Amino acid sequence: QLQLQESGSGLVKPSQTLSLTCAVSGDSISSGGYSWNWIRQPPGKGLEWIGCMYQGGSTYYNPSLKSRVTISVDRSKNQFSLKLSSVTAADTAVYYCARSSVSALDAFDFWGQGTMVTVSS
Amino acid sequence: DIQLTQSPSFLSASVGDRVTITCRASQGISSYLAWYQQKPGKAPKLLIYAASTLQSGVPSRFSGSGSGTEFTLTISSLQPEDFATYYCQQLNSYPRTFGGGTKVEIK
Repeated sequence: QLQLQESGSGLVKPSQTLSLTCAVSGDSISSGGYSWNWIRQPPGKGLEWIGCMYQGGSTYYNPSLKSRVTISVDRSKNQFSLKLSSVTAADTAVYYCARSSVSALDAFDFWGQGTMVTVSS
Repeated sequence: DIQLTQSPSFLSASVGDRVTITCRASQGISSYLAWYQQKPGKAPKLLIYAASTLQSGVPSRFSGSGSGTEFTLTISSLQPEDFATYYCQQLNSYPRTFGGGTKVEIK
């Protein structure tokens, strides 16, 4: 059974860079037919897609965050990462990683449990 | 960006009720629509993909329909464990977008 687990700093100071990692177990992150996504949810609000990376290395980002976001993969550790620079209080949210599957018409079939990130001095 | 508008945003219903949630897209997205269920403090769970295909393990009381710009999620007989927030998501183009959510509460 595929499992995803987010980790990283839970508290980030304004103007600094948020860094999170999603460890994948139960399958190789290099398997074809999937993309690896980051999604966030501010407290009490809805879901916002941040971006994704495909097995071949191509990336897609939400234009609203594109100038600040980098998604990368470490195949040796079977994990992928999110960096969000110049954070403000508006970036406070639960951050989820998720797998998108071609066989499910790109729907997000597996999710991590989420990790809360607070931006505060 | 493709905007998704869910209605209603809040729904009060009783166990056994038939519940329908609508999701309208700002432009045609064929059948590239998914539905998720989220309970407090938990990650979203995929219920339906390709507008009408039930994800493995999801009870058959959940069903989805629609194509183009109008979609529905139906729960045929609401169960206590179905009280949650439901989101639609379009996968037709980038950026992926979600509807604003529909919270289903106990009447």
